[in-house]
Amino acid sequence: AQSVAQPEDQVNVAEGNPLTVKCTYSVSGNPYLFWYVQYPNRGLQFLLKYITGDNLVKGSYGFEAEFNKSQTSFHLKKPSALVSDSALYFCAVRDQTGANNLFFGTGTRLTVIP
Amino acid sequence: SQTIHQWPATLVQPVGSPLSLECTVEGTSNPNLYWYRQAAGRGLQLLFYSIGIDQISSEVPQNLSASRPQDRQFILSSKKLLLSDSGFYLCAWSSAKNIQYFGAGTRLSVL
Repeated sequence: AQSVAQPEDQVNVAEGNPLTVKCTYSVSGNPYLFWYVQYPNRGLQFLLKYITGDNLVKGSYGFEAEFNKSQTSFHLKKPSALVSDSALYFCAVRDQTGANNLFFGTGTRLTVIP
Repeated sequence: SQTIHQWPATLVQPVGSPLSLECTVEGTSNPNLYWYRQAAGRGLQLLFYSIGIDQISSEVPQNLSASRPQDRQFILSSKKLLLSDSGFYLCAWSSAKNIQYFGAGTRLSVL
């Protein structure tokens, strides 16, 4: 069975500093990995995905994620955090049995402090 | 471009009343469709998914049902709401590109 884990419920970072939101995964075979962001009382917005290819994936709003097969990780990063980046972030892995179902992590709340 | 519409945005219903939440997708055909529930602003629980008209799969036993009467319409229903049905309900669609796109959500409060 596939799953993702987000070990941090909350991440605080000062504005302008780099940020990292952690995600580890467990799958058999090659993973399809995703990051989504959710602002208060809104639906999830797609940020980026890893299917194959370069381990560093670039996405929306200046975010990027690094796929590390040996560590089974897919951490979300941004070089310089903005206050507007404050939101709830979800990592997800695709169900390999079909229907494009996604298994989501429990989410990490990012707060960027001015 | 594709868009997904979900309504209502907010709903307050008494215990025992029926429920109908609607989701429609525009700009694509034969999408996979999904209903999720999110409790307390945290993790998402997949409730139903559909790969075609009248093809619905339920992920967890519950007081809810789903229907897909048209290719781009997905409806979440209940005959009698329970207090535990309160939450934030999200509809999503996906194509062969694997990415799921979400609606704005419906916040349901059962009182």
